[in-house]
Amino acid sequence: GEDVEQSLFLSVREGDSSVINCTYTDSSSTYLYWYKQEPGAGLQLLTYIFSNMDMKQDQRLTVLLNKKDKHLSLRIADTQTGDSAIYFCAEDTGGFKTIFGAGTRLFVKA
Amino acid sequence: DADVTQTPRNRITKTGKRIMLECSQTKGHDRMYWYRQDPGLGLRLIYYSFDVKDINKGEISDGYSVSRQAQAKFSLSLESAIPNQTALYFCATSDFGGTGAGNEQFFGPGTRLTVL
Repeated sequence: GEDVEQSLFLSVREGDSSVINCTYTDSSSTYLYWYKQEPGAGLQLLTYIFSNMDMKQDQRLTVLLNKKDKHLSLRIADTQTGDSAIYFCAEDTGGFKTIFGAGTRLFVKA
Repeated sequence: DADVTQTPRNRITKTGKRIMLECSQTKGHDRMYWYRQDPGLGLRLIYYSFDVKDINKGEISDGYSVSRQAQAKFSLSLESAIPNQTALYFCATSDFGGTGAGNEQFFGPGTRLTVL
């Protein structure tokens, strides 16, 4: 069945780059997403990539997509303490249903 | 004002009680969703609705029911709450293609439910 997997924790030092990885199973996914959840809040879309793209860059964020391996990654350059949050990988499976991973909790040490 | 609101934000109840969680949105979206979040399990879909006349079960609908009272309102009920329904519940909306990001979903702030 459809599944999205990601590691649960990542710890980095302030100023370093963070890389959060995700694997998914549905090869027909059209959009893949990264959502961010800050403490006490709901999820908010951080960035997304369309399935015909390999890479997308948005300021400090770089998304890489390897369709062959069904692997998605999110790189945050110059990680700040304000980036501490839970990051969810998600895939669209046909326009109406989105499958979310379990979320990666990013800790940023000052 | 928030686009997606949920009430209550926190609720503690006892086993066997009936509970209703409410969600309202001002985004004008047709699609609405209810999820629960558990540590290490991420978000799991309970129910979703594409318009007022359309209600669909998600992957974990047992023990829950929903009502779509209007385009802007989607409520979730636990008819007889049990302790393993203790979780964080999120309502979300979407307008497929409307933002250019596929089925981007907009989430409410969540309701923390504890069943004793």
